[in-house]
Amino acid sequence: GDSVTQMEGPVTLSEEAFLTINCTYTATGYPSLFWYVQYPGEGLQLLLKATKADDKGSNKGFEATYRKETTSFHLEKGSVQVSDSAVYFCALILTGGGNKLTFGTGTQLKVEL
Amino acid sequence: GAVVSQHPSRVICKSGTSVKIECRSLDFQATTMFWYRQFPKKSLMLMATSNEGSKATYEQGVEKDKFLINHASLTLSTLTVTSAHPEDSSFYICSAREGTAGNTIYFGEGSWLTVV
Repeated sequence: GDSVTQMEGPVTLSEEAFLTINCTYTATGYPSLFWYVQYPGEGLQLLLKATKADDKGSNKGFEATYRKETTSFHLEKGSVQVSDSAVYFCALILTGGGNKLTFGTGTQLKVEL
Repeated sequence: GAVVSQHPSRVICKSGTSVKIECRSLDFQATTMFWYRQFPKKSLMLMATSNEGSKATYEQGVEKDKFLINHASLTLSTLTVTSAHPEDSSFYICSAREGTAGNTIYFGEGSWLTVV
């Protein structure tokens, strides 16, 4: 079946450090890939997405590139801020009829001064 | 991006009573909505898929008679927790699929349910 694997957290970084959160997937078809962010006590917000191979999604300084050859969609940010502290979820949905998001387990990011 | 709104954001109810949570897509029509439950420091657990005008499809292990889902219009789905018990206390999140293009799913803000 389809699945998403994320690196385990928590990830603790100092402000202005470089962030990478790894995400790999397995899928029977051609998925669209997403990163969602959940701030404490809130719902999920779509952070960025990519719908086909080699697409790069970007938003608020975060980037992720859809790598079909390595089945990966790693999330990166060049300089994190304390306000980026949250839980980040990688997810996929199959293109062409799939209705359900398949989530990774989430990675908690803590950014300290 | 598209907006999905949930109401109420927090609710406290007594054991044995029922409570309804609403999920609305504010600026798009959602033929499909999803209801999730999230336990502390855990990922989201899909409870059911709600299709406008038809019965919801429940995931294995989710009691359909306890968690009633209604999707009466293209912008509104409701989750009713019937005969609530303290173990039903949780964070419930809905999402809606924007059907125009891209298979993008947007989430509501979530609803905290506490059963006392």
